[in-house]
Amino acid sequence: NAGVTQTPKFQVLKTGQSMTLQCAQDMNHEYMSWYRQDPGMGLRLIHYSVGAGITDQGEVPNGYNVSRSTTEDFPLRLLSAAPSQTSVYFCASSYEGLAMGEQYFGPGTRLTVT
Amino acid sequence: ILNVEQSPQSLHVQEGDSTNFTCSFPSSNFYALHWYRWETAKSPEALFVMTLNGDEKKKGRISATLNTKEGYSYLYIKGSQPEDSATYLCAFASGGSYIPTFGRGTSLIVHP
Repeated sequence: NAGVTQTPKFQVLKTGQSMTLQCAQDMNHEYMSWYRQDPGMGLRLIHYSVGAGITDQGEVPNGYNVSRSTTEDFPLRLLSAAPSQTSVYFCASSYEGLAMGEQYFGPGTRLTVT
Repeated sequence: ILNVEQSPQSLHVQEGDSTNFTCSFPSSNFYALHWYRWETAKSPEALFVMTLNGDEKKKGRISATLNTKEGYSYLYIKGSQPEDSATYLCAFASGGSYIPTFGRGTSLIVHP
């Protein structure tokens, strides 16, 4: 099992560019989520999904879109990158749900927006 | 936004010392409390999920306790080893939102 995989590992964008961060899991988990990690702050939830076709907003959803067409994949789209979106992004999946289940995290994507 | 506080922010101990740190969270509408271990250059890894007041969980030299009535959880490490060096995160989920809110973490450095 690869677990949770994320691509790319590193990315530099110019302000206004768009891009998609990829996330995939091979554990057949229904629940998937995206977090961002900024210095001095806890992990903050951007969007999450409770199953294919169902997504919802987390704490900091503005500027990001998600979709969940399959159980395995949960891409995060930046619509028009801004310097405030410079961060490390983690994708996670869980079997029992965000609140109750242990979350398995991917290796992260370090994004810099100039 | 729920307030989840972890203390201390960082901790330096010597190999063999036992140590503990705290996660504080709102005492009302408790649903679950998670502990994660996050080593540098890796991803957070789940340690415990705790749901009941008075819960105690143990994994090797690491254990955790939970007091939902007063809103805190302690994580203990017995006989710290250099490989225990990591940031320890807690995450609190309330019955209102069921979405976990993470604390900022306690950074533990164990010196050989």
